[in-house]
Amino acid sequence: AQSVSQHNHHVILSEAASLELGCNYSYGGTVNLFWYVQYPGQHLQLLLKYFSGDPLVKGIKGFEAEFIKSKFSFNLRKPSVQWSDTAEYFCAVIFLSGYSTLTFGKGTMLLVSP
Amino acid sequence: KAGVTQTPRYLIKTRGQQVTLSCSPISGHRSVSWYQQTPGQGLQFLFEYFSETQRNKGNFPGRFSGRQFSNSRSEMNVSTLELGDSALYLCASTRTGELFFGEGSRLTVL
Repeated sequence: AQSVSQHNHHVILSEAASLELGCNYSYGGTVNLFWYVQYPGQHLQLLLKYFSGDPLVKGIKGFEAEFIKSKFSFNLRKPSVQWSDTAEYFCAVIFLSGYSTLTFGKGTMLLVSP
Repeated sequence: KAGVTQTPRYLIKTRGQQVTLSCSPISGHRSVSWYQQTPGQGLQFLFEYFSETQRNKGNFPGRFSGRQFSNSRSEMNVSTLELGDSALYLCASTRTGELFFGEGSRLTVL
């Protein structure tokens, strides 16, 4: 079955540390890739997305992600995190076969200490 | 423009009851999807509607059902509630493949 894996369930960082959250998916075909963020008490918001083209995607709030097709990965990065980045981060994939739905990873809870 | 609106935001039910949740998509969006979010399972797809037709369905029992109206508004219904149905139910609408989420309806089953 098509699935999305996020390797870290919880990540704790100090402010100014660099962040990398892993995301892998199991599917050899064409995909659309997303990272969503859910701040405490708020709704899911799109951080960035990849449909095609440059595999290095820049999103909001200084986040970026790199699509590596050979590794089925779409890792999220930020050079220097802030306390306000404390949130849960979800990787999501649309597997483009017929009518496809958005499949989410189980999320990574990021806690940034000031 | 207004975002995805879900009602009610919070509700408490007891086992065996049923519940109906409502979702109003962003104007112009004809596709509506529903997800169940729980701490243990994350976000799990329930179903997707497009132009009043169910286009996809996730792996949930028949107690979970939904529908979409001609104005694209959608409802989902859960019958014979179980304790494990306690969750945040999220609705999302899309027009171009990017999903926009509502704030969710938090259901607690006692």
